[in-house]
Amino acid sequence: AQKVTQAQTEISVVEKEDVTLDCVYETRDTTYYLFWYKQPPSGELVFLIRRNSFDEQNEISGRYSWNFQKSTSSFNFTITASQVVDSAVYFCALSEAWNTGNQFYFGTGTSLTVIP
Amino acid sequence: DAGITQSPRYKITETGRQVTLMCHQTWSHSYMFWYRQDLGHGLRLIYYSAAADITDKGEVPDGYVVSRSKTENFPLTLESATRSQTSVYFCASSDPTGRNEQFFGPGTRLTVL
Repeated sequence: AQKVTQAQTEISVVEKEDVTLDCVYETRDTTYYLFWYKQPPSGELVFLIRRNSFDEQNEISGRYSWNFQKSTSSFNFTITASQVVDSAVYFCALSEAWNTGNQFYFGTGTSLTVIP
Repeated sequence: DAGITQSPRYKITETGRQVTLMCHQTWSHSYMFWYRQDLGHGLRLIYYSAAADITDKGEVPDGYVVSRSKTENFPLTLESATRSQTSVYFCASSDPTGRNEQFFGPGTRLTVL
């Protein structure tokens, strides 16, 4: 079973629109960590945010915000007033504390295209 | 410079050849990982290592071999490359006593003809 599901394969928005990228996870652990990474066309993986399971407070960083809801096992990512530079593939990932391998489970990614 | 590096960045090889992808990190992180990235699959874990001389299989280990004689290096070897191993390979490291964040290398694009 997929531990991290990103149901949106591709999204296109017009510049300045808001866009939300969905991430649903599955774990039996009570302590876990969720991450978002950005992969721009250049190919590197850029860390965006880390959230632990005990911190359900939403976070805002500039135009980026994250909505963590344990009740629905979701960790959604919203970009406000999107820009062309936001065009990238975005990955959500889960790390479980019990897992001594410190493994990450990645979703399949959402490819975001921002049209000027 | 500090960080995590991979070499080569691009590699073209032929079916049946042995290929080794190198990964080097300067943070002395105990954990290191190898992922492959394929369209429609995201990143999948091949092998990981908790410390020097300790390695374990991930989700897709078949056809790959790893070793870790030194903390800073984690080479990945394709003993007999196949076309299905054409992919982008990412190495990562993390400090389990820290914030559980994984730091990724720039990736190696491997093409097997």
